[in-house]
Amino acid sequence: DTGVSQNPRHKITKRGQNVTFRCDPISEHNRLYWYRQTLGQGPEFLTYFQNEAQLEKSRLLSDRFSAERPKGSFSTLEIQRTEQGDSAMYLCASSSGGQGGTREQYFGPGTRLTVT
Amino acid sequence: DQQVKQNSPSLSVQEGRISILNCDYTNSMFDYFLWYKKYPAEGPTFLISISSIKDKNEDGRFTVFLNKSAKHLSLHIVPSQPGDSAVYFCAASDVVNQFYFGTGTSLTVIP
Repeated sequence: DTGVSQNPRHKITKRGQNVTFRCDPISEHNRLYWYRQTLGQGPEFLTYFQNEAQLEKSRLLSDRFSAERPKGSFSTLEIQRTEQGDSAMYLCASSSGGQGGTREQYFGPGTRLTVT
Repeated sequence: DQQVKQNSPSLSVQEGRISILNCDYTNSMFDYFLWYKKYPAEGPTFLISISSIKDKNEDGRFTVFLNKSAKHLSLHIVPSQPGDSAVYFCAASDVVNQFYFGTGTSLTVIP
């Protein structure tokens, strides 16, 4: 296991279309996070899972965004009816968390979304 | 409202010298702090962290200092190397495990 992977790496879509991104965390990590990053900004928290449970969601996460983590392994982030303002880098991170775990997060390479 | 701030967008340092990157935060509930390094077209890479019960943590060339009364942390890199050139983000975490990132400082180490 070499780290967090994300697919696709790049996605170009037309406004109004739906897109789905996938994240595969480090296998022994039970926490998984989604972030959005735009140019000149740091990663912005969207949501996080502990195992399959979605524990926190940012108020920035509109109803068009939904995330799942079935069986507590990989996760998907879906954006419905994309808007040009959704264009950003979407980053996934995982951490071991839990009792005795640390809060260091390990990031994937990201999926760059461009909405035309 | 930006709860974690990095007020220096960029920093240039000569190779072999010390690099000092600064970060300020506003939320006194933050209890864990991290530094990440990011190269273009890659995700951030974890560097070093510190719990709020400590004021210093050291790992090789990297040392993080935390001043809770001033709500300030800094990352020291000694000696700086050209391969350290990257964007550095500080991040803070609260007890519900939400993470807040600064806007980053672009470090250039000049050979």
